[in-house]
Amino acid sequence: AQKVTQAQTEISVVEKEDVTLDCVYETRDTTYYLFWYKQPPSGELVFLIRRNSFDEQNEISGRYSWNFQKSTSSFNFTITASQVVDSAVYFCALKNNDMRFGAGTRLTVKP
Amino acid sequence: NAGVTQTPKFRILKIGQSMTLQCAQDMNHNYMYWYRQDPGMGLKLIYYSVGAGITDKGEVPNGYNVSRSTTEDFPLRLELAAPSQTSVYFCASSYQADNNYGYTFGSGTRLTVV
Repeated sequence: AQKVTQAQTEISVVEKEDVTLDCVYETRDTTYYLFWYKQPPSGELVFLIRRNSFDEQNEISGRYSWNFQKSTSSFNFTITASQVVDSAVYFCALKNNDMRFGAGTRLTVKP
Repeated sequence: NAGVTQTPKFRILKIGQSMTLQCAQDMNHNYMYWYRQDPGMGLKLIYYSVGAGITDKGEVPNGYNVSRSTTEDFPLRLELAAPSQTSVYFCASSYQADNNYGYTFGSGTRLTVV
């Protein structure tokens, strides 16, 4: 069975702080894909990143970075120097035949 | 390109009424999906389709029906609305030649059943 766990329901930080959103997944498949999506207050879902199970290289995109560790089945997301506009719900997802989402982490960045 | 278009954006239904949530994509994606998002929860897969004429159940299909007569359209039908179906519904599509593609989501339909 496929499962994604985002243990942090809500996180609140002050602007310019760094914050890490945790994601732990379960799957019996050897080939799979991991995703992060952002859902701002307006409600749409915005694709942030995908990573396949054979590529454990970490990735950095501006203030965003992702740490993928197969040994711990984790795919954590870090925002450096957070900004108010980062306030959103962030979803981690695991995909093989279909995409299964975690429950999401609500991030609030206060000015 | 419009991407994935969902209509309506909002709807209030009475218990027992029926309705169809529309979803259309113009990206020639072969895979399409319907998810529901309950308050404070992640997305749950209702139904999906890998191409015209083919549909399959997801995690929570009870109370819903779908059809896929064309590549572009993937409507979701609620036959007898129940309060438990109050949710935000998202349609998504992907070009799934392999699994290395994320989904493009519509903007959602907020449905309230009273």
